Amino acid sequence: AQSVTQLDSQVPVFEEAPVELRCNYSSSVSVYLFWYVQYPNQGLQLLLKYLSGSTLVKGINGFEAEFNKSQTSFHLRKPSVHISDTAEYFCAVTGISNFGNEKLTFGTGTRLTIIP
Amino acid sequence: GAGVSQSPRYKVTKRGQDVTLRCDPISSHATLYWYQQALGQGPEFLTYFNYEAQPDKSGLPSDRFSAERPEGSISTLTIQRTEQRDSAMYRCASSRLAGFETQYFGPGTRLLVL
Repeated sequence: AQSVTQLDSQVPVFEEAPVELRCNYSSSVSVYLFWYVQYPNQGLQLLLKYLSGSTLVKGINGFEAEFNKSQTSFHLRKPSVHISDTAEYFCAVTGISNFGNEKLTFGTGTRLTIIP
Repeated sequence: GAGVSQSPRYKVTKRGQDVTLRCDPISSHATLYWYQQALGQGPEFLTYFNYEAQPDKSGLPSDRFSAERPEGSISTLTIQRTEQRDSAMYRCASSRLAGFETQYFGPGTRLLVL
């Protein structure tokens, strides 16, 4: 089984400042990792995912994340945020042993608020 | 369809009533997932389908919850004898195939049990 911890429930950031949203996971098997974003009144949208290869993954809207196996982390970063980045961000994991049933285990989410 | 759709978007019901939620996945997507998201929490897995087969029901909280996908396309989630603790956002997602394909989520159905 897998679990995900997002320690920061809310993160306020000034516009054009950098941001890092933290995600740590726990698993007894190798994992694939995801970040989803939920804009107000919309469904979850995939930002980026790590399946294999380079540990630095680039996603949509200028976001990137780095997989760190030794620290069991997958933190999300953006060098300069915009008002439109205001949303809730969810980190998720699935174990590679789950092939055929890629059910996602989500964290509790981080609400990112951009301050003008 | 162009995206995953769910209906109704909002449902208010009285305790003890049955409710049925509908999910219309992206056309040709083989795999469909149901998740439950309580307020302030992340989505939690309920069940999934590969076409019409339902290999995993392990996330369903009780036998009051059931799901169907009889023709391998549209799916319904039924909650019998609803309880206040069933109040949550119910999310449906579909993916092209099993095998770590991206899951595309619908807008969700927000259920409130009074």
